[in-house]
Amino acid sequence: SYVLTQPPSLSVAPGKTARITCGGNNIGSKSVHWYQKKPGQAPVVVIYYDTQWPSGIPERFSGSNSGNTATLTISRVEAGDEADYYCQVWDSGRDPVVFGGGTKLTVL
Amino acid sequence: EVQLVQSGPEVKKPGESLKISCKDSGYSFTNYWIDWVRQMPGKGLEWMGSVYPGDSDTRYSPSFQGHVTISADRSINTAYLQWSSLKASDTAIYYCARHENSGDNFDIWGQGTMVTVSS
Repeated sequence: SYVLTQPPSLSVAPGKTARITCGGNNIGSKSVHWYQKKPGQAPVVVIYYDTQWPSGIPERFSGSNSGNTATLTISRVEAGDEADYYCQVWDSGRDPVVFGGGTKLTVL
Repeated sequence: EVQLVQSGPEVKKPGESLKISCKDSGYSFTNYWIDWVRQMPGKGLEWMGSVYPGDSDTRYSPSFQGHVTISADRSINTAYLQWSSLKASDTAIYYCARHENSGDNFDIWGQGTMVTVSS
């Protein structure tokens, strides 16, 4: 089945840029969705279809997808961005929905 | 406001059965798929399967096929996830979420149901 690989953790200082990667075989040919998951809360989509913003999500969040890597970029990181972030794709294999392992973003 | 409202936390013993629910409010229930996603303690998100309330079409992840049953009752706008024989390893938070078409993101999520299985 299709595998998505994310770094387990990332630490960024406030005001800096966080780049969270999601690796997969030719992931650039798929559409990637990104979710923010805070403790005790349900996941929230922050980017869908590689680059689209849901309403209510600040434009500090952006996405890109090419080759074997998709990236979620968070500009001007704030304390409130501290969360786990998951990438997700649809696949034609046995598991149609695949999540990455998640990246814990820590704001220093 | 569109919401998915899940049933409350459950504490069960191994071998017991359980059915948790996910009820929509405010949208066309039969036009969206309802998915179930597991998060075990300290772990990531895992897709379990989905149901289309419009015709009860159901899909399962091979990892969960045979161990859980996903269903829906469109007359009361509610989807279900059930177990006939729980294991301690079923201890997790279970989220329902919806998507409209294959390839779409999950745009609305339930608040989660904590299931604890312990002797």
